[in-house]
Amino acid sequence: EVQLLESGGGLVQPGGSLRLSCAASGFTFSTYAMNWVRQAPGEGLQWVSAIRSNGDDTYYADSVRGRFTISRDNSKNTLFLQMNSLRVEDTATYYCARLRTDSGWYEDYWGQGTLVTVSS
Amino acid sequence: VLMQSPGTLSLSPGERATLSCRASQSLGRNYLAWFQQKPGQAPRLLIFGASSRATAIPDRFSGRGSGTDFTLTISRLEPEDSAVYYCQQYDVVPRTFGQGTRVEIK
Repeated sequence: EVQLLESGGGLVQPGGSLRLSCAASGFTFSTYAMNWVRQAPGEGLQWVSAIRSNGDDTYYADSVRGRFTISRDNSKNTLFLQMNSLRVEDTATYYCARLRTDSGWYEDYWGQGTLVTVSS
Repeated sequence: VLMQSPGTLSLSPGERATLSCRASQSLGRNYLAWFQQKPGQAPRLLIFGASSRATAIPDRFSGRGSGTDFTLTISRLEPEDSAVYYCQQYDVVPRTFGQGTRVEIK
């Protein structure tokens, strides 16, 4: 069974940093691209960042480029999102999701999310 | 940009629900997905490639469309179908979502 478990969320002040983790199990993590998607309270879904299976290529939404860094440790089946210079508008539940890449890149499994609150 | 309509759909069990998703530019490869999200839960993939059902999705869910106009149909609504439904295009970067359609079961 595919499982994705996010952690690392919490309350942080504007300008602060946070590192999210996503522990994967139930599939061969090293062969899948992975994704972060966020959802502000009461709002819709917004793609944040993606990374290829080998970690060589990374992609970012304009709103986070230069502040967030996606990475992965395939030996530990874990995906990361390093978030720096956090802003109030980054407040959201952050989901990690597995990407199928057989025909375009689409999310087929999602974790339950971790809440990040940026507030003074 | 993806525009979903209607914003809210209120129907009775057994009725047919038709949700629309319109793209501002053509998705040449029909890289369009539909997700279901229930309160407090993560999104769940229903449809990918505009019309392919994901694993374990009941056949009452179907997707169709091409280019700029796409539709998700729920043929016979059941109480557990109450949720927000999002379309997503993954044809171009950045991948984007529609604003969602809320389906309420009377």
